[in-house]
Amino acid sequence: GENVEQHPSTLSVQEGDSAVIKCTYSDSASNYFPWYKQELGKRPQLIIDIRSNVGEKKDQRIAVTLNKTAKHFSLHITETQPEDSAVYFCAASSGLNYGQNFVFGPGTRLSVLP
Amino acid sequence: ETGVTQTPRHLVMGMTNKKSLKCEQHLGHNAMYWYKQSAKKPLELMFVYSLEERVENNSVPSRFSPECPNSSHLFLHLHTLQPEDSALYLCASSLGTGHTDTQYFGPGTRLTVL
Repeated sequence: GENVEQHPSTLSVQEGDSAVIKCTYSDSASNYFPWYKQELGKRPQLIIDIRSNVGEKKDQRIAVTLNKTAKHFSLHITETQPEDSAVYFCAASSGLNYGQNFVFGPGTRLSVLP
Repeated sequence: ETGVTQTPRHLVMGMTNKKSLKCEQHLGHNAMYWYKQSAKKPLELMFVYSLEERVENNSVPSRFSPECPNSSHLFLHLHTLQPEDSALYLCASSLGTGHTDTQYFGPGTRLTVL
């Protein structure tokens, strides 16, 4: 089955700097990659996603890049702000068997220092 | 926030107790999910329901019993739990079970098994 790894597990950046979180996946059939943000004590919320027919997607300060050949995708946050502090989860899904292949990474705890 | 609600928010139970977790979605979605979130582990998908029919069961122990009486309500019945079952249990819903359908999460129930 699918296996998703995520690095780093924790990340601290100064306010205004950029943050990059990388995920790798094992199933070459995976073709949908969402990113969720979970603030402390709150529910996970989708912040951006990318499909395999696209190499990059951007939404204001957030962007996601996908390298299908290398089977990795990354979340990029520019001009970080304290409210970006949260745990970020990546996921991969192929749609071939919905439940089995929608797999989350272990999460990255991002701290933005003022 | 009224999209996906969960009750109770916190639950402490002994190993011999029987309790139920409740999830309700007000988004008109047709699919609902139960996830388990343990410290430093990826979100684990437990059950998937589509139009009140269970479509996925990821080898979850029988001490967890889901029930979906209609597309707006989802329950997780608990009995004879173990201390290692202590975790945050998250409910989610999506419009359908297409693998690109965005999942909307509830706030979770923090379960502690003594």
